[in-house]
Amino acid sequence: AQSVTQLGSHVSVSEGALVLLRCNYSSSVPPYLFWYVQYPNQGLQLLLKYTSAATLVKGINGFEAEFKKSETSFHLTKPSAHMSDAAEYFCAVTKSGGSYIPTFGRGTSLIVHP
Amino acid sequence: NAGVTQTPKFQVLKTGQSMTLQCAQDMNHNSMYWYRQDPGMGLRLIYYSASEGTTDKGEVPNGYNVSRLNKREFSLRLESAAPSQTSVYFCASGGPDRYEQYFGPGTRLTVT
Repeated sequence: AQSVTQLGSHVSVSEGALVLLRCNYSSSVPPYLFWYVQYPNQGLQLLLKYTSAATLVKGINGFEAEFKKSETSFHLTKPSAHMSDAAEYFCAVTKSGGSYIPTFGRGTSLIVHP
Repeated sequence: NAGVTQTPKFQVLKTGQSMTLQCAQDMNHNSMYWYRQDPGMGLRLIYYSASEGTTDKGEVPNGYNVSRLNKREFSLRLESAAPSQTSVYFCASGGPDRYEQYFGPGTRLTVT
């Protein structure tokens, strides 16, 4: 079985501050990991993905995430928050090697203050 | 290239009414999915179709049926709507390696 835990349903930062959104996973086999972003009244769009290549993954809009197997984590970071980053962020995990059904976390709402 | 499209965008139903949510993708993807999104619950899988001609239940299939009409289209039907089905419904298709997903804009359904 696979599961995802996103710590913190809401994260609040000031514009220009570091963004850190936490994601921990459990998987019985090597995982593929994803971060999706959802802007208000829109569908989810892929931000970045880890599929067993480089452990530091760069995505769109200046976001990156690091796969840490020892910590079973895949935290999302951005050095400097922008007002346009305010959105809901979802971490997802799926099994490598056959299962195409992802398990999503419950989401973290990023609030950016001016 | 429109990606994943969904119709309608909004719908209000009365308890007991039926409706079909339509989804189409133009990316030639084999797999398609239906999710519902409720506050604090994240995304929950209703049904999925790994390829044309196959459908399987997800986490919350009760009260729903699906049809994979062809490779492009995957519809979700509510036969007798209930207030508990008030939600935002998302259709998605699976990317070339199937692991990443591409989402439609959603249908906001209210059942009164």
